Parts: sequence; structure tokens; C-alpha cells
Amino acid sequence: AQSVTQLDSHVSVSEGTPVLLRCNYSSSYSPSLFWYVQHPNKGLQLLLKYTSAATLVKGINGFEAEFKKSETSFHLTKPSAHMSDAAEYFCVVSDLKDSWGKLQFGAGTQVVVTP
Amino acid sequence: ETGVTQTPRHLVMGMTNKKSLKCEQHLGHNAMYWYKQSAKKPLELMFVYNFKEQTENNSVPSRFSPECPNSSHLFLHLHTLQPEDSALYLCASSQGQGTAYGYTFGSGTRLTVV
Repeated sequence: AQSVTQLDSHVSVSEGTPVLLRCNYSSSYSPSLFWYVQHPNKGLQLLLKYTSAATLVKGINGFEAEFKKSETSFHLTKPSAHMSDAAEYFCVVSDLKDSWGKLQFGAGTQVVVTP
Repeated sequence: ETGVTQTPRHLVMGMTNKKSLKCEQHLGHNAMYWYKQSAKKPLELMFVYNFKEQTENNSVPSRFSPECPNSSHLFLHLHTLQPEDSALYLCASSQGQGTAYGYTFGSGTRLTVV
């Protein structure tokens, strides 16, 4: 069984300051992990993915995430927030055992960026 | 555009109406999915199709009826819906089996049942 927990439902940051979105997962097997972003009235866009290669994963728009197996975490970070980063972010997990690629989504973290 | 196109973008329907949502992808993906996104709730997987065959029905009520005529098109037929079915319906596709690629999502259809 797999599950994912996003530890913050809302995060507010000032423009130019670092962003940290926390995600913990549980998985019976080797997980694939993803972060998606959803801007208002838009679909979900893949930010980055971890699939058992390098533990530090770089994504689009300056985001990166680090897979820490000992902590079962996959936190998303960005050194300097931009106004366009205001959106909802979803942490997603899937077991490699699951051959049909079903993903388990977290509840989401709403990010607000203030000037 | 992501390569997954959903139409219509918005739909308002009465509880006695019949309507259909359409999803189209030309990414060469073999698997397609319907998700429901309701306010304050995690995304809910509804249906999975792989090579046009339905591989999962996640206990979805029969008033939702999917159709996948080929690997590029996916429909969701709606009839006698309830107000609680109002939500954003997202279509996604993925390349083959396995999870290494993640999903490509469409922009969704915002459904309001009145």
C-alpha cells in the first residue's frame, strides 16, 4: 500500500524568499515520487520526478526536491519565490510494483506569494 | 498546451441531462485516466484504460460511463448526475506501463450540476 502526506495545507512566502513544501510518503516497494503544480483553472503540470536515480532531483522553474529514504520524505524547495509560483502543489507517490502507473496524490499545499 | 486536450472547458447541466466529456491526446501514450477533483479533497482516480481496455473502475457510480474507442481518445458519458458530482474532471495519459514517466494532464472540464 502507498500513501502520501503533505504536511502543510497552506504556505505563505514573500517574493524572493525560499519556499519549502513538505511531503512524507509510505510505500511497500521502491517508490516513484513526483511533484505537480496546478495554477488556478488549469490542469496539473509535472514539476519533477524521482525514479530511483539521483536522490536530488531538479525540475522546472527552479524547483528541486530531495529523496530521503531514511526519513521517507520528498520535500520540494526553491531558493527564491516568484509571484508566478502562487499555485497549488501536489506530492504524488507510486510503487514501481504497480505496472499500470496508478498515482496516489497528496491533499495539496496552497502556496501564496506576497510582494 | 500539454498535449492532452479536454472539451468542453466548462459545462453546466441539469440532473436529468445527458452530456459527454471528451479527452484527446496525440502523445503516443497507451494509458489514459479520468480523475475527479473536488474542493477540499484529494484527486480521486475514477477509471484507467490501457491499450483501449478498461483496467480499473474505482467504484464509480454507474451514472458515469467511460468510453475509450482508441488509444488517443477517452470519453466520460454523464447522465442523471447529482449536485455532489460538481467538480473538475481531469483527463491524463501516460506512456506505456509503469510509473517512470508520470502523467500528462489536460486542463480539465469544470462541471456544475444544477
